[in-house]
Amino acid sequence: DAGITQSPRHKVTETGTPVTLRCHQTENHRYMYWYRQDPGHGLRLIHYSYGVKDTDKGEVSDGYSVSRSKTEDFLLTLESATSSQTSVYFCAISDGLAGGTDTQYFGPGTRLTVL
Amino acid sequence: AQSVAQPEDQVNVAEGNPLTVKCTYSVSGNPYLFWYVQYPNRGLQFLLKYITGDNLVKGSYGFEAEFNKSQTSFHLKKPSALVSDSALYFCAVRDILTGGGNKLTFGTGTQLKVEL
Repeated sequence: DAGITQSPRHKVTETGTPVTLRCHQTENHRYMYWYRQDPGHGLRLIHYSYGVKDTDKGEVSDGYSVSRSKTEDFLLTLESATSSQTSVYFCAISDGLAGGTDTQYFGPGTRLTVL
Repeated sequence: AQSVAQPEDQVNVAEGNPLTVKCTYSVSGNPYLFWYVQYPNRGLQFLLKYITGDNLVKGSYGFEAEFNKSQTSFHLKKPSALVSDSALYFCAVRDILTGGGNKLTFGTGTQLKVEL
């Protein structure tokens, strides 16, 4: 999985609790992304980062925040988890080649269940 | 805006037969196109991409894809399917003009089942 780890790999939590998912890369890539995967929706972008402390929203960012204080780590936080955030979360990285020709490589995923 | 459609939720093929997984896209400018495969309980694995040049792109595991600008399609193909090809396949697109942040838009996925 291209030097990408995600933790935890599985988590069960209760509605209203905060949750933080971690993505760690050893490739020194500039771009990092958080997606969620749901049946019938494919993968949808939550947030992405184009450098340390540089982040932007994706198409489904409501209820999520992110932080990137180091090149290798990208954190996704659910401030107050809801059942609609039950999903499989994937982190991806890319090196940000000029012109947008770079390939995104994905981590193994985190399965989150909100009860 | 960029979008991609995978019209088939599932494709069934007999082992040894050719397979095709369909993908059509919509962009404002020119597209960059990608195919990924996902095996159960795993992350997505990159198969191939079209950036420019030859319309027939060859990728991993014997897969190839044909870019057709007039039909706005990028179908994934393999001449002879294997049972081990059974997986979930995703097409993705990035619009050169408007795809800021190197963002990809994914299709909803096609489940490929290869039977003996």
